[in-house]
Amino acid sequence: QKEVEQNSGPLSVPEGAIASLNCTYSDRGSQSFFWYRQYSGKSPELIMSIYSNGDKEDGRFTAQLNKASQYVSLLIRDSQPSDSATYLCAVNVVGRDDKIIFGKGTRLHILP
Amino acid sequence: ETGVTQSPTHLIKTRGQQVTLRCSSQSGHNTVSWYQQALGQGPQFIFQYYREEENGRGNFPPRFSGLQFPNYSSELNVNALELDDSALYLCASSWTDTQETQYFGPGTRLLVL
Repeated sequence: QKEVEQNSGPLSVPEGAIASLNCTYSDRGSQSFFWYRQYSGKSPELIMSIYSNGDKEDGRFTAQLNKASQYVSLLIRDSQPSDSATYLCAVNVVGRDDKIIFGKGTRLHILP
Repeated sequence: ETGVTQSPTHLIKTRGQQVTLRCSSQSGHNTVSWYQQALGQGPQFIFQYYREEENGRGNFPPRFSGLQFPNYSSELNVNALELDDSALYLCASSWTDTQETQYFGPGTRLLVL
């Protein structure tokens, strides 16, 4: 069964610390992986995409993918209060009707 | 701002009515996907349109239907509204049918009474 799982949180992290967000997925055919940030009342905004095993860094954000363990994570370094939001993990399975599956999201709260 | 626009921003309907939501894709994008996001949940894929043809559908009943026009704008139609249809409806556009780097519009919040 296709599924993307995330801890709903809230995850509370002190300002300046590293926030670690995790996501597991069930479909081994998954090929593309995305992290979106969604502020309350707003639409999702793409932060990172990752397609191959390993780490991908973009500024304060690092996405990590382990296809063998069916696990993808997002690290946020030097967390800022403006990082407080819901983070959605999304997985794209090419060739299936469910083109992209989102997790329920993890609420992140950065403590000033 | 992503360049994807949606209208209306908010809408109140009663059970049994029909609703049409609209989306204008970002310039140069030929693919539009529609999502339903209930409160506290992640977006759920409804369907995708690529070059005016439906190109994939999620687990939604036939009363959810759509169109894509030659300028790649799109409509989502929902017939026989039910209370559970109350949600944020999001459209996202991209330039291929693989949903790489899709950009979301601001959404339409629908309330069904």
